[in-house]
Amino acid sequence: DQQVKQNSPSLSVQEGRISILNCDYTNSMFDYFLWYKKYPAEGPTFLISISSIKDKNEDGRFTVFLNKSAKHLSLHIVPSQPGDSAVYFCAASKTSYDKVIFGPGTSLSVIP
Amino acid sequence: NAGVMQNPRHLVRRRGQEARLRCSPMKGHSHVYWYRQLPEEGLKFMVYLQKENIIDESGMPKERFSAEFPKEGPSILRIQQVVRGDSAAYFCASSPKVAGVGTSSTDTQYFGPGTRLTVL
Repeated sequence: DQQVKQNSPSLSVQEGRISILNCDYTNSMFDYFLWYKKYPAEGPTFLISISSIKDKNEDGRFTVFLNKSAKHLSLHIVPSQPGDSAVYFCAASKTSYDKVIFGPGTSLSVIP
Repeated sequence: NAGVMQNPRHLVRRRGQEARLRCSPMKGHSHVYWYRQLPEEGLKFMVYLQKENIIDESGMPKERFSAEFPKEGPSILRIQQVVRGDSAAYFCASSPKVAGVGTSSTDTQYFGPGTRLTVL
């Protein structure tokens, strides 16, 4: 039973344009949501998080939107850069320190 | 400030041998989490430890796997009598977890570079 879903295995975007990565979850007990970026042969790198009391959190080029009623979140990267090419994992947990449930990942390619 | 350290980065074992994976959390972090990424899959939670305590081991296989986080020294994930299906990347994460504090980026789990285990 996949509690965190990322239905797009891959995404290609032109440099300078917006990248939108989507994520859906099924467990209404999740209260804390995160995005991690991962390069091959490296560990996941924390990007941005959001708690369920917010609907938007912004950090530089990265913005996460949360729609709790739809159990949906998205990560916007603007403008996209070639260095953003990586696998992006959506993740969720019941609290900020609980175990994290990861989605399967979306591979983003930013084309120069 | 050093990040989460894991060693070895690569480990090769023959079937039936033991594998020991080490994780040193970030300075000031007292909570350690282990995750496993099987080939072509996402990361799956295994175990969550505090110093000298296992908090949640719901993701650990029932046999051959154990984890500890002693008062002194790194956290150890131990796999006895390895089989080919244990071949995976094993990631450790740490967080400070401040009791009584609401959701905060300071509670976020930060990951190490992983140990890639290959069982021949």
